[in-house]
Amino acid sequence: AQTVTQSQPEMSVQEAETVTLSCTYDTSENNYYLFWYKQPPSRQMILVIRQEAYKQQNATENRFSVNFQKAAKSFSLKISDSQLGDTAMYFCAFMKHENAGNMLTFGGGTRLMVKP
Amino acid sequence: GAGVSQSPSNKVTEKGKDVELRCDPISGHTALYWYRQSLGQGLEFLIYFQGNSAPDKSGLPSDRFSAERTGGSVSTLTIQRTQQEDSAVYLCASSLVSLVGDTQYFGPGTRLTVL
Repeated sequence: AQTVTQSQPEMSVQEAETVTLSCTYDTSENNYYLFWYKQPPSRQMILVIRQEAYKQQNATENRFSVNFQKAAKSFSLKISDSQLGDTAMYFCAFMKHENAGNMLTFGGGTRLMVKP
Repeated sequence: GAGVSQSPSNKVTEKGKDVELRCDPISGHTALYWYRQSLGQGLEFLIYFQGNSAPDKSGLPSDRFSAERTGGSVSTLTIQRTQQEDSAVYLCASSLVSLVGDTQYFGPGTRLTVL
């Protein structure tokens, strides 16, 4: 079974600064996908960024980018120019195809507070 | 277009009662997933539907939990004889197909409180 670990339960950052959230995972698979989801107080899980394991290039989406280290099984999220609206829980998630479709295995989450 | 919707938004029930939670996926999405988010267990997968069938029900925590999907669209998660440990946020997600890597789009969840 896959496990996903987020070692930072809480983090804070000043508005406009950069913050990096950590995620490590454990798998024996070679082909899989990794995701970062954001969950604001509204509870709606919103996709932030997606990475395909067979692609060496790190994914980027505007102010969000990842540092994907496949050998180290590490998938960190960098948020640049942090904004107040980035305040939320952030979940790292792993996906591979199984009998249960493409279930997501989530880490425990990191609560990010952006301070004005 | 409309996203995934779930109802009710919040549900308070008494221990031992049955509850039904509803999920409306994004139109045209064939795959549907249920997850549970609780303080003690974090986010855990419950069940997956491809069309109307659920190939694997092993993620359901007990036989008090059941789910169905009709017409390849709406899904209902039923919890019978609710217990306090069932208190959690129940999240539904859908994806266009069930190919590995497909993005899952989540609804706002139903917060269930069992007194």
